Amino acid sequence: EPEVTQTPSHQVTQMGQEVILRCVPISNHLYFYWYRQILGQKVEFLVSFYNNEISEKSEIFDDQFSVERPDGSNFTLKIRSTKLEDSAMYFCASSEAAGGYYNEQFFGPGTRLTVL
Amino acid sequence: AQSVSQHNHHVILSEAASLELGCNYSYGGTVNLFWYVQYPGQHLQLLLKYFSGDPLVKGIKGFEAEFIKSKFSFNLRKPSVQWSDTAEYFCAVNAAAGGADGLTFGKGTHLIIQP
Repeated sequence: EPEVTQTPSHQVTQMGQEVILRCVPISNHLYFYWYRQILGQKVEFLVSFYNNEISEKSEIFDDQFSVERPDGSNFTLKIRSTKLEDSAMYFCASSEAAGGYYNEQFFGPGTRLTVL
Repeated sequence: AQSVSQHNHHVILSEAASLELGCNYSYGGTVNLFWYVQYPGQHLQLLLKYFSGDPLVKGIKGFEAEFIKSKFSFNLRKPSVQWSDTAEYFCAVNAAAGGADGLTFGKGTHLIIQP
């Protein structure tokens, strides 16, 4: 069964450093998403991406964040200058469609980001 | 903006007990509704979804949920739980109007099934 994959599973970085989290969505999916979950809190939407541009973004997704689909398979989230409060589990998701029956979002296993 | 409330943060049941997890949402428009499950050490998986039609939705592993529009609710039920149902359960909603709308999640319910 096709699945969303994410690398690395755990990333440790120093405050102020740039990190890139990588995701490989399901191959025939067209819509891609990033979410985060700070320990003990709810899963929060960051951004959605379609047709090589951002479709929607939340208030959390400020200028420190960017997303890119550098090739036909990868979808990346970059945090330019990490802060302590960026420590969280980051989930990538993809869906075949944006509305209707096929809008189910399939989630990856997550990358645990720890900022020291 | 949407919001989702899950009333029970921790639920402990014995095997074969019946389960109902509450979920209420707030949003002014038409929504899609989802229940996701996260088993220990695994990623989020879809249990069931509602996007239109019959408000009683059946999902995997014997779970079902009923959309009651007048109550803005989408409660998850299972008549007889098993030890393997121990997991975190998340209710989520997004706007049905289309576009790549992100999901708004509830805080989750940690379900523990005792043998």
